[in-house]
Amino acid sequence: DSGVTQTPKHLITATGQRVTLRCSPRSGDLSVYWYQQSLDQGLQFLIQYYNGEERAKGNILERFSAQQFPDLHSELNLSSLELGDSALYFCASSVGYPGTDTQYFGPGTRLTVL
Amino acid sequence: LAKTTQPISMDSYEGQEVNITCSHNNIATNDYITWYQQFPSQGPRFIIQGYKTKVTNEVASLFIPADRKSSTLSLPRVSLSDTAVYYCLVGDGGGGFKTIFGAGTRLFVKA
Repeated sequence: DSGVTQTPKHLITATGQRVTLRCSPRSGDLSVYWYQQSLDQGLQFLIQYYNGEERAKGNILERFSAQQFPDLHSELNLSSLELGDSALYFCASSVGYPGTDTQYFGPGTRLTVL
Repeated sequence: LAKTTQPISMDSYEGQEVNITCSHNNIATNDYITWYQQFPSQGPRFIIQGYKTKVTNEVASLFIPADRKSSTLSLPRVSLSDTAVYYCLVGDGGGGFKTIFGAGTRLFVKA
């Protein structure tokens, strides 16, 4: 158990809908990362937050948005969903210090868009 | 951000030592090298991290030559449960840090 929690574990929805994925980082971690992993694909970095502020942005679509709240939990919002958005979405957290920024991953949310 | 290159796949047998090499020719002075392991439908798990020379922990060793343009993850006496994808990452973890997981190396351990 990494200490990172993600909810829900599974999500099934229809095209055009909007969903929110939630992540709670490990106690003491200030940084949160979001990744997308499609079937048999590598991990695609989406976005990183550090102590409530956006720190880095990867290949995140404009239909997707995220934020990190004062209590450090983070939410990833996916809107106007398409079939191709079906994937595993992972959240990771780290202390966020430069140098040895080891990431600890949550169990993921499996999103299925029908 | 340094790009990494790893073999796509490797096969091994139980009890053997497995070495997975990662090339990172453009590694920067402040970059660390980190390896993760991922099982199907699970999040990646940290294995080991290093900056130079050799690092060893209870599950693996990491060898980094003096020029730091490559690194080798060594898994001693693998078992069937070591079948997974192994990712090599290079970065400084600092501001603007973007994690680029490559395709990783799929290790298949046979009985």
